[in-house]
Amino acid sequence: SAVISQKPSRDICQRGTSLTIQCQVDSQVTMMFWYRQQPGQSLTLIATANQGSEATYESGFVIDKFPISRPNLTFSTLTVSNMSPEDSSIYLCSVEGNREKLFFGSGTQLSVL
Amino acid sequence: KQEVTQIPAALSVPEGENLVLNCSFTDSAIYNLQWFRQDPGKGLTSLLLIQSSQREQTSGRLNASLDKSSGRSTLYIAASQPGDSATYLCALISGYNKLIFGAGTRLAVHP
Repeated sequence: SAVISQKPSRDICQRGTSLTIQCQVDSQVTMMFWYRQQPGQSLTLIATANQGSEATYESGFVIDKFPISRPNLTFSTLTVSNMSPEDSSIYLCSVEGNREKLFFGSGTQLSVL
Repeated sequence: KQEVTQIPAALSVPEGENLVLNCSFTDSAIYNLQWFRQDPGKGLTSLLLIQSSQREQTSGRLNASLDKSSGRSTLYIAASQPGDSATYLCALISGYNKLIFGAGTRLAVHP
């Protein structure tokens, strides 16, 4: 199984600021996935990040709002830009492990005031 | 468009009871199905993965079944314990590792 370290685990931010979330994996992986879980709702895929290429964003998510970096095969960052209270969510990174299981980081609980 | 529905949305049971969580989906052309557990404010823990060619998977007190023809999966929890209290999510993989999640079942097991 893949071990994923995600930080920060939580943060409280002011409107208009940006937060960068880091995701570190203990093994090399081709794809990393970023999800958002809004309060009381299930998970929604934001984007898929491949090393060496631009991230692929899902409908409703744009690079200007959620820029993603993938500098190597074990690390990725997601930035939530120009935050508003509607961005308050749990953000999770995910990777594919052995036998196609998907593993998740512990999440970043973001509150925007 | 694939849609995933989980019933019930919430469940409260006494300790020791056997229980079944349901997950239904609209498009049977799935790659595989995975059940997760999520504790409040935390990330997801993978419980069981069922490939599209399989009918069930077991791990300890957990058993997950898959019936693609009827668009259903169930997660069976035997002899429930208070530590099983969490939200249980089913998710389908369709396309290139793109997970589609249900809204989850919030389970509370009381002593």
